[in-house]
Amino acid sequence: QSALTQPASVSGSPGQSITISCTGTSSDVGGYNYVSWYQQHPGKAPKLMIYDVSNRPSGVSNRFSGSKSGNTASLTISGLQAEDEADYYCSSYTSSSFWVFGGGTKLTVL
Amino acid sequence: QITLKESGPTLVKPTQTLTLTCTFSGFSLSTSGVGVGWIRQPPGKALEWLALIYWDDDKRYSPSLKSRLTITKDTSKNQVVLTMTNMDPVDTATYYCAHREVRGGTCFDPWGQGTLVTVSS
Repeated sequence: QSALTQPASVSGSPGQSITISCTGTSSDVGGYNYVSWYQQHPGKAPKLMIYDVSNRPSGVSNRFSGSKSGNTASLTISGLQAEDEADYYCSSYTSSSFWVFGGGTKLTVL
Repeated sequence: QITLKESGPTLVKPTQTLTLTCTFSGFSLSTSGVGVGWIRQPPGKALEWLALIYWDDDKRYSPSLKSRLTITKDTSKNQVVLTMTNMDPVDTATYYCAHREVRGGTCFDPWGQGTLVTVSS
């Protein structure tokens, strides 16, 4: 099972919205509503931001939202803030009963 | 509050076996629906999922590493142990353990702080 495909980097200005894509196959992203997104600041452990495509854990800002269409999932961050600058990883459960991560996307807030 | 902490050697030699321990609090691995997983991250690179063990001793492994990995649990000590055989310099990474709860979605939350393991002679 190959890693999920994410853009290496995205950027946006404060207050703007950005979207990060995560492309897989029908055996992972497309086959289940089991995509999650993690935020990772430098030197820190990943933090869950979205689970099961579009659900936000308690305490996560409603500026973060998730969606899916076919084999591609997306994370949208609205009202960009400086603290959103981080690496973002998508993950999906697979038909072979294990998890796969994306290659990660570096978000730069200009 | 759920917390997890990884422990183990910071340096291993090539061909040696790595043993990492995840010690957790705030939940029990004897509770239905609960699991603990391991994920690693080479320096400057992406996350890679390794293994998962559930309350009922169901175990899942990454297909690419399955032959080298063993995951076990000690419910009485609130610990999960991951062993990886035949270590190679490419296995140099920060190793994280993370909590999983079936009812909480198909995800891992929270994660431990991670432990950096360097493979070098």
